[in-house]
Amino acid sequence: GENVEQHPSTLSVQEGDSAVIKCTYSDSASNYFPWYKQELGKGPQLIIDIRSNVGEKKDQRIAVTLNKTAKHFSLHITETQPEDSAVYFCAARERGGTASKLTFGTGTRLQVTL
Amino acid sequence: DGGITQSPKYLFRKEGQNVTLSCEQNLNHDAMYWYRQDPGQGLRLIYYSQIVNDFQKGDIAEGYSVSREKKESFPLTVTSAQKNPTAFYLCASTQTTGGLTNEKLFFGSGTQLSVL
Repeated sequence: GENVEQHPSTLSVQEGDSAVIKCTYSDSASNYFPWYKQELGKGPQLIIDIRSNVGEKKDQRIAVTLNKTAKHFSLHITETQPEDSAVYFCAARERGGTASKLTFGTGTRLQVTL
Repeated sequence: DGGITQSPKYLFRKEGQNVTLSCEQNLNHDAMYWYRQDPGQGLRLIYYSQIVNDFQKGDIAEGYSVSREKKESFPLTVTSAQKNPTAFYLCASTQTTGGLTNEKLFFGSGTQLSVL
């Protein structure tokens, strides 16, 4: 089955700096890669996703890049703000699978300091 | 407000006791899911249901049971057979369009279960 590794486990940046979180996956058949943000005491919320036919996707201050050859994808947050502090999870889903086939990474706790 | 409601927020279980976690959604979603979250680990799928009166085991179903008698409700029972039940439990749902399950998961706020 799919295996997703996520690094780093914790990340501290100063407000205004950029943050990068990286994930690798094992199944070359995976074709959907979402990122979820989980604020303290809440459930995760989808913030951005990318499919295997696209190399990069942006949404305001966040972007995701995908390297299919190396089987890794990354989340980039620019101009970080205190409200970006949360735990971020990457995930990968095998081709043709439903949400039940999502494999999640272990999470990155991002702390944005003033 | 549309969304997923999980209750209670905190739950305590005594040894040998079964406990039931509630999950209700008013999003009119067909598919619902239960995940377990442990510190430093990713979300692991316990059970899921694509439609009323049908459900399938996920990756870690042992010691858990579910029912899906109504579209909006998907309760999870943690049985006494689950020897390590302390965790944060998340319920989620996805929309189904044209018979295909959408990929975006909508999560509830979770229930923290602890063993006394």
